[in-house]
Amino acid sequence: KNEVEQSPQNLTAQEGEFITINCSYSVGISALHWLQQHPGGGIVSLFMLSSGKKKHGRLIATINIQEKHSSLHITASHPRDSAVYICAVRSLTTGAGSYQLTFGKGTKLSVIP
Amino acid sequence: GAVVSQHPSRVICKSGTSVKIECRSLDFQATTMFWYRQFPKQSLMLMATSNEGSKATYEQGVEKDKFLINHASLTLSTLTVTSAHPEDSSFYICSAPLARGWYNEQFFGPGTRLTVL
Repeated sequence: KNEVEQSPQNLTAQEGEFITINCSYSVGISALHWLQQHPGGGIVSLFMLSSGKKKHGRLIATINIQEKHSSLHITASHPRDSAVYICAVRSLTTGAGSYQLTFGKGTKLSVIP
Repeated sequence: GAVVSQHPSRVICKSGTSVKIECRSLDFQATTMFWYRQFPKQSLMLMATSNEGSKATYEQGVEKDKFLINHASLTLSTLTVTSAHPEDSSFYICSAPLARGWYNEQFFGPGTRLTVL
C-alpha cells in the first residue's frame, strides 16, 4: 500500500466549479507539499504545510495532522487549472540533513469551459 | 522564487549510448539535489540524492553504475544514463531544497524526457 494516497485519480469539472482533491498518508510527517504538474511535465510547488491552512489566490490547502489528511481546494475553477496535482510528504523518519519526499500518484484534473 | 533548470528538456538516443542530463540551481546554492524518475501515469520515484563534494546516495534498486551522478559544484548536478536501453525511457526530474527560515522548500526542474530507441 502506497504511503500516500490521493483521491480522486481523475476529476472532470465545469468551469467555475469548486474542486476538492484529497490526500491521506499513513506515516508521521514533518511537512506536506501540494505540487502542480502541467502536461509538459514541469512541476510547480503550490504549498508546503505542516499544520492548519494556507491560501494563495483561488487555491486553498488544509491539513489535519491527527487524521493524517490534507485537502487542496480550487475555487472558481478555470480551464488553465487543468493539470495533475500531486501530494508529497516528508516523513518524520527522514534524517535531519535530508529532504526526501514520498509522492502520491497524482490527481488529473480537467476543467471544461 | 528560486529557479531550477534542466538541460536538455528532451533527448532521443540510440540504444547503447550514454546521455547526460544537467540540473542547475540558477539563483541559489544547493549542496543537495534530488533526482527522480517518472513513468507514464506513475508518481515520481526518487532515484538518488546528489551531494556536493561527496558520493551520491542511491535508492534501493537503482544501479549506481548505470545512473552516474556528479555534483561538481554548488549549482550543478549531472545525471548520466550509461548504455541506455529502451526501458530507461522515462521522464527525469531534479529538485533542490532551499532553506526558508525554519523549513526547506523544494524547487523542481522542468524535467527531461528521455526516449531510447
